[in-house]
Amino acid sequence: EAQVTQNPRYLITVTGKKLTVTCSQNMNHEYMSWYRQDPGLGLRQIYYSMNVEVTDKGDVPEGYKVSRKEKRNFPLILESPSPNQTSLYFCASSFTVGDTGELFFGEGSRLTVL
Amino acid sequence: GDSVTQMEGPVTLSEEAFLTINCTYTATGYPSLFWYVQYPGEGLQLLLKATKADDKGSNKGFEATYRKETTSFHLEKGSVQVSDSAVYFCALRSPLNTGNQFYFGTGTSLTVIP
Repeated sequence: EAQVTQNPRYLITVTGKKLTVTCSQNMNHEYMSWYRQDPGLGLRQIYYSMNVEVTDKGDVPEGYKVSRKEKRNFPLILESPSPNQTSLYFCASSFTVGDTGELFFGEGSRLTVL
Repeated sequence: GDSVTQMEGPVTLSEEAFLTINCTYTATGYPSLFWYVQYPGEGLQLLLKATKADDKGSNKGFEATYRKETTSFHLEKGSVQVSDSAVYFCALRSPLNTGNQFYFGTGTSLTVIP
């Protein structure tokens, strides 16, 4: 089954404790992206990647890191989480060049930073 | 730059009422247009899409027509049901193959009451 898989789905952590949210897709998509969703603010893009080893900042990259060492994986790293990073996070993927297709989303990871 | 503007919510309707959620866009060239739906506690899933002017996307009784002359992609449904209660996002995919490609509106929350 074609899907985008995120882990963990739920996480409660404390300020300053490094964490990684994994994202994996099995559709051979070049494009991958991370969003955060907060009440009243819609979806805001954190980082995106056009292909392996190619990443770029979205609208709200501060406090986050990403890497794209393999095509299927695009982990989101919070080196020193803070309470303002409490949010619902979505990973998404799509084909890229020359394609008009949609973005496929994971089920979301709800993160709480105390 | 490219952007999407959609109707502010929340929207509350009675069952069997007519629904319209407005969406307009700004883009270079001719983007692909999408409506996504997010049911409570779930991720975003594609509802419908249109990839060129005058195309009509449809699914589950929802429709939207790609209007190039008014740069719009309004979502409509003739008779809403309680199960349609969700958040709806309008999105575009830029036809350019460099940089970020997807842009989302802020989402419109719909509640349908029996």
